Amino acid sequence: GAVVSQHPSRVICKSGTSVKIECRSLDFQATTMFWYRQFPKQSLMLMATSNEGSKATYEQGVEKDKFLINHASLTLSTLTVTSAHPEDSSFYICSASSLTGDNQPQHFGDGTRLSIL
Amino acid sequence: QQQVKQSPQSLIVQKGGISIINCAYENTAFDYFPWYQQFPGKGPALLIAIRPDVSEKKEGRFTISFNKSAKQFSLHIMDSQPGDSATYFCAAKSSGDKLTFGTGTRLAVRP
Repeated sequence: GAVVSQHPSRVICKSGTSVKIECRSLDFQATTMFWYRQFPKQSLMLMATSNEGSKATYEQGVEKDKFLINHASLTLSTLTVTSAHPEDSSFYICSASSLTGDNQPQHFGDGTRLSIL
Repeated sequence: QQQVKQSPQSLIVQKGGISIINCAYENTAFDYFPWYQQFPGKGPALLIAIRPDVSEKKEGRFTISFNKSAKQFSLHIMDSQPGDSATYFCAAKSSGDKLTFGTGTRLAVRP
C-alpha cells in the first residue's frame, strides 16, 4: 500500500529553536499534502494544506509565519516550526493524497513528537 | 455543519465480541466516509471507507453501515481481538474539500 514517511519521529529541543519536519510520499506522487496537529487523547486538527508548487493554505488560527510549509516536489513537503516554544509541543502528523482522482484516500505518516523544553 | 459527531468516547469489549462505533454528520455534501485506526505514537491508518451510494461495506472483520437518510454511519468490528485495541476515528469529506474527523473512540478489547 501507499507509504508516507515522516522524519524525524521525535525531536526534543530548547525553546527558541526552529525545527523542520519532513514528509515524503515513497511510492506515489502527491499533489496535496496535509499537516495536522494532535494533542493527547484528542482528534487531529488540520493546520494547513500544502499543494506542490504553490503556497500552502492555512486553517483559521494557524500562524503562517510560525509554521512554515514548503512543498517543493510531488514527493516532499516540509513543516518548519520557527522559534518553537513549550506551547508548540505536540504530535505533528502529515498525510498525502495521490496525484489523480478526487476523494483519493489520505495516507498518513507516523507523526513527529515535538517536545520543546 | 462541518462537524462529525462520534460516540462513544471509549469502549471496552471482551475478546470475541462486537465493537460498534457510531458517527453522525450534518453536511449533505459529504460523499466519502473513511475510518482510521490509530495506535499510540503512530499516525492514523486507513481501515475502510464507504461512499453514500451503498449502505454497507465489509472487509474482513470490519464493516461500515451507512444510513444516508439519517446521516449516520457506523463501524462494526466482529470477533474483536486484543490487537484491535486502538483509537478509531471516523471522518467525512466532500469533493475537493478537506477531511473532517470525528473526536475518536478509544477501544480496549479485554482478553
